[in-house]
Amino acid sequence: EIVLTQSPATLSLSPGERATLSCRASQTVSNYLAWYQHKPGQAPRLLIYDASNRATGIPARFSGSGSGTDFTLTISSLEPEDFALYYCQQRSNWWTFGQGTKVEIK
Amino acid sequence: QLQLQESGPGLVKPSETLSLTCTVSGGSISTSSYYWGWIRQPPGKRLEWIGSIYYSVNTYYNTYYNPSLKTRVTISVDSSKNQFSLKLSSVTAADTAAYYCARHQGMTYFDYWGQGTLVTVSS
Repeated sequence: EIVLTQSPATLSLSPGERATLSCRASQTVSNYLAWYQHKPGQAPRLLIYDASNRATGIPARFSGSGSGTDFTLTISSLEPEDFALYYCQQRSNWWTFGQGTKVEIK
Repeated sequence: QLQLQESGPGLVKPSETLSLTCTVSGGSISTSSYYWGWIRQPPGKRLEWIGSIYYSVNTYYNTYYNPSLKTRVTISVDSSKNQFSLKLSSVTAADTAAYYCARHQGMTYFDYWGQGTLVTVSS
């Protein structure tokens, strides 16, 4: 099983600041990695697929990068609605998820 | 706009079978391009894919399951109601989780999700 490790566990930032979230895979997943946003009581939302492609309707402030085992989700300037949980997920070998990073208001 | 909604009992007794249904609206569950899956998240733990089902013109509905849960999981479809269902047998407290249904396109990503339903296993 491919294990995904996200860091940091919590990111405390202010609106307008830049957020950088990391996801590391226990073995290479090529570029088969996605990022999701999840708010309590809501359905998770696909943000980025295949490491760097924004899903339909996702604002340009969200970007993804990386390949192999190391990946990054960047939110260039945090909006109030961006404070949420973020998960990475790989599809190289079945599907597994990271443990999540919480982006909270500082 | 595609929408998915989970439903089912919020409390299940140990050793019994957990049964959940996902109702799909805004699109047909019998479209061959799409797969329909179940994912869960135990409290304080990471999301875990349970299994998926998809429609094929030649073989109708096909399933595949997480190897760690395979012996206890059954996913099926009721196309007349545009629903798919999850059955998880012989549950224990470790099966307490928020359960989500979701859509994906082949071996790709989950592009639509339900809001999730919490199932507690307790006597």
